[in-house]
Amino acid sequence: KNQVEQSPQSLIILEGKNCTLQCNYTVSPFSNLRWYKQDTGRGPVSLTIMTFSENTKSNGRYTATLDADTKQSSLHITASQLSDSASYICVAAGGSGGYNKLIFGAGTRLAVHP
Amino acid sequence: GAGVSQSPRYKVTKRGQDVTLRCDPISSHATLYWYQQALGQGPEFLTYFNYEAQPDKSGLPSDRFSAERPEGSISTLTIQRTEQRDSAMYRCASSAIVGGADTGELFFGEGSRLTVL
Repeated sequence: KNQVEQSPQSLIILEGKNCTLQCNYTVSPFSNLRWYKQDTGRGPVSLTIMTFSENTKSNGRYTATLDADTKQSSLHITASQLSDSASYICVAAGGSGGYNKLIFGAGTRLAVHP
Repeated sequence: GAGVSQSPRYKVTKRGQDVTLRCDPISSHATLYWYQQALGQGPEFLTYFNYEAQPDKSGLPSDRFSAERPEGSISTLTIQRTEQRDSAMYRCASSAIVGGADTGELFFGEGSRLTVL
């Protein structure tokens, strides 16, 4: 079964600290791995997209890594800001539905406190 | 348009009524997706369109759900004889990429929150 699992479910950190969010996926065939940020009440916004041949990709203070062999990805946030408080959703593209059926994780809810 | 627009933003209806949700994608985008998102969960795929074609509707939970995109632009999602379990956020997203094993970025709308009483 194609699925994406994220950990932790929720996380609280202090402003300025770093954190790392984890994602494990079982999607085959695999096309690409995405991370989205979803602010409360808003739609998801794309942070990074990585194909199986890419190991890391950065977007400002966000750095995503991908290990296609172990089917694991992580999202590292550096020097967190209050505005980083949001849900971070890992998405694997591929599976029996092909590219167009993205498999979404349940997300990690991050709260950054002053 | 500049972004993906959905309407209504909020819809409250009584069980058994029909509802229609509308999505106006980014004007240059060929591909349009519908997702259902429960509170605290990630979006779950319902169906998608490449222009007016609907290659995959396997995510629609029952035959009460249907979607259309007759002219390859605006799309509607209709839920007939609504049930309380249909209450959720319905999100539309569009992409400039038409199928294939590539990395088309999805742009999501603000969603339509449906509450069935």
